[in-house]
Amino acid sequence: EADIYQTPRYLVIGTGKKITLECSQTMGHDKMYWYQQDPGMELHLIHYSYGVNSTEKGDLSSESTVSRIRTEHFPLTLESARPSHTSQYLCASSGQNLNYGYTFGSGTRLTVV
Amino acid sequence: AQSVTQPDIHITVSEGASLELRCNYSYGATPYLFWYVQSPGQGLQLLLKYFSGDTLVQGIKGFEAEFKRSQSSFNLRKPSVHWSDAAEYFCAVGLYSSASKIIFGSGTRLSIRP
Repeated sequence: EADIYQTPRYLVIGTGKKITLECSQTMGHDKMYWYQQDPGMELHLIHYSYGVNSTEKGDLSSESTVSRIRTEHFPLTLESARPSHTSQYLCASSGQNLNYGYTFGSGTRLTVV
Repeated sequence: AQSVTQPDIHITVSEGASLELRCNYSYGATPYLFWYVQSPGQGLQLLLKYFSGDTLVQGIKGFEAEFKRSQSSFNLRKPSVHWSDAAEYFCAVGLYSSASKIIFGSGTRLSIRP
């Protein structure tokens, strides 16, 4: 069973809508990450957090925002969705070191029409 | 700058044939090294990892990888592929720092010919 959960798995919404993609983990990991994955497979880091009240932008500029009010929860919000936001969004977490790498959720496939 | 290169975008092999997926990295020291697999519509699953010690590491699903320091490579191998191995494979490098950051390669798509 998964230790990191993403909801919804699939989402189709209209342009201009506000959406929040949920990510929760039960492993007590301090570090959490959001990746955007385009159809060409490549992973782009868009946000990360090293603990509660800590958030940073990743390597790829994104119009989304994140929050980290609780250790286990790292939601991603798009205030006004556009077709260019259509993508797969993957959430991941890790412990203090890299001994176990990252644990990934199953992803959210977002389509903006 | 640190980087991970997977030179093969797409590979097709016959079921039962052997497989080798290539990965090269650029980093000043021996990093953490990982291989992940992604099935369609899913997240990434860790196949195996290398930190130190024996340079040939065994993973899940019958995969293995060999770290070659002189070539800065960490190639993934499987002696006999199954149709269920069709997926995307990502090589990744973890950097020693407080940031615990992992850099992913661009991925190799594996197709299996019946």
